[in-house]
Amino acid sequence: DQQVKQNSPSLSVQEGRISILNCDYTNSMFDYFLWYKKYPAEGPTFLISISSIKDKNEDGRFTVFLNKSAKHLSLHIVPSQPGDSAVYFCAARYDYKLSFGAGTTVTVRA
Amino acid sequence: DAGVIQSPRHEVTEMGQEVTLRCKLISGHNSLFWYRQTMMRGLELLIYFNNNVPIDDSGMPEDRFSAKMPNASFSTLKIQPSEPRDSAVYFCASSSSHRGLDGYTFGSGTRLTVV
Repeated sequence: DQQVKQNSPSLSVQEGRISILNCDYTNSMFDYFLWYKKYPAEGPTFLISISSIKDKNEDGRFTVFLNKSAKHLSLHIVPSQPGDSAVYFCAARYDYKLSFGAGTTVTVRA
Repeated sequence: DAGVIQSPRHEVTEMGQEVTLRCKLISGHNSLFWYRQTMMRGLELLIYFNNNVPIDDSGMPEDRFSAKMPNASFSTLKIQPSEPRDSAVYFCASSSSHRGLDGYTFGSGTRLTVV
């Protein structure tokens, strides 16, 4: 049972424009949400997170928005850069356990 | 700190053979997670250890899979016998807090191919 879903397997965006990645979840007990970034042949690396009591968290070019009523979160990358081309995983935490989405592959075009 | 170290990076084995994947945690981390990544299901949690003790192994797919943590810095994931459907990338991750508030640190993964 996939409790965290990323319905867009891929996203292509022009350099300098905004990338918007979406994630939906089903478990209302999740209390913390995270985004991870993964390059080929490397492990996922932590990017940004948000507590369930917040609706927005910003870190440089990266902003995560949480809509608890809709059980939806999104990651905005502005402006997108070639180095942002990677797979992005959405994750949600309940107790010790992180549940991950299937990932979205972002390609930033020059 | 060298981070979480996994070995081997790649493993190709024949169906029916035993496979052992290895993971060295970051010094001072006390939580260890094994994940499996497939195209269909993304990252799935296989097993979680805290302070060397297995806490949750509900994600281990079958009895063919077993994991150990003989000391605070090292873990193994064994598949015996291996099957082609076990082909995937296996990651281990460690954390310094039980609840992963600082996020997990992942190793670079082991790409397993069973032919």
